[in-house]
Amino acid sequence: SSELTQDPAVSVALRQTVKITCQGDSLRGYYATWYQQKPGQAPILVIYGENNRPSGIPDRFSASNSGNTASLTITGAQAEDEADYYCNSRDSSGYPLFGTGTKVTVL
Amino acid sequence: QVQLVESGGGVVQPGRSLRLSCTASGFTFSNYTMHWVRQAPGKGLEWVAVISFDGSNLYCADSVKGRFTISRDNSKNTLYLQMNSLRGEDTAVYYCARDLRGSPSYYFAYWGQGTLVTVSS
Repeated sequence: SSELTQDPAVSVALRQTVKITCQGDSLRGYYATWYQQKPGQAPILVIYGENNRPSGIPDRFSASNSGNTASLTITGAQAEDEADYYCNSRDSSGYPLFGTGTKVTVL
Repeated sequence: QVQLVESGGGVVQPGRSLRLSCTASGFTFSNYTMHWVRQAPGKGLEWVAVISFDGSNLYCADSVKGRFTISRDNSKNTLYLQMNSLRGEDTAVYYCARDLRGSPSYYFAYWGQGTLVTVSS
């Protein structure tokens, strides 16, 4: 079955750079989409397509893809970036599939 | 601005039914594909269902297929999720989400605040 695997947790020092990865076979055919979710809040779209940011998303967020791995990079992490991050791609039927999620802690 | 407001959640016994609603404003509802996404307590996100802008195409995830039905009333700017034969594993916060585009891109551009469904005897 389709799966998207993420590291459960990562930490980053304030203003440093962190890379969050997402692995899965479906990523060979689809770009990953990335969502940020803070405690008690709904997710928000951070990156879609090859590397597109919706209006209002800071340019310190960027994405890349290689083979079966997608990455979200936060360059110069801020305290407000502390959140859960979920990748999203497609399952074998072509419907949305979320990753397991990564908790990012900003130290 | 885009607003999505879910309602209809609550505590329900296993095997019973519940209908969720999502009222949209701030955009032309009838132009956009809509989705339901859920999140069990302390768990990750799970996509549940999609419906096209005009309601002619709809699909549910395998985990709810045959039990849940997505629908919409464009005259009321409202999205629905009819949930039948509820199980404990359906306990979750249910979010409605607007697609980024009219045709389904599966980019969830806007989300409601969610409504909690608890299935328990």
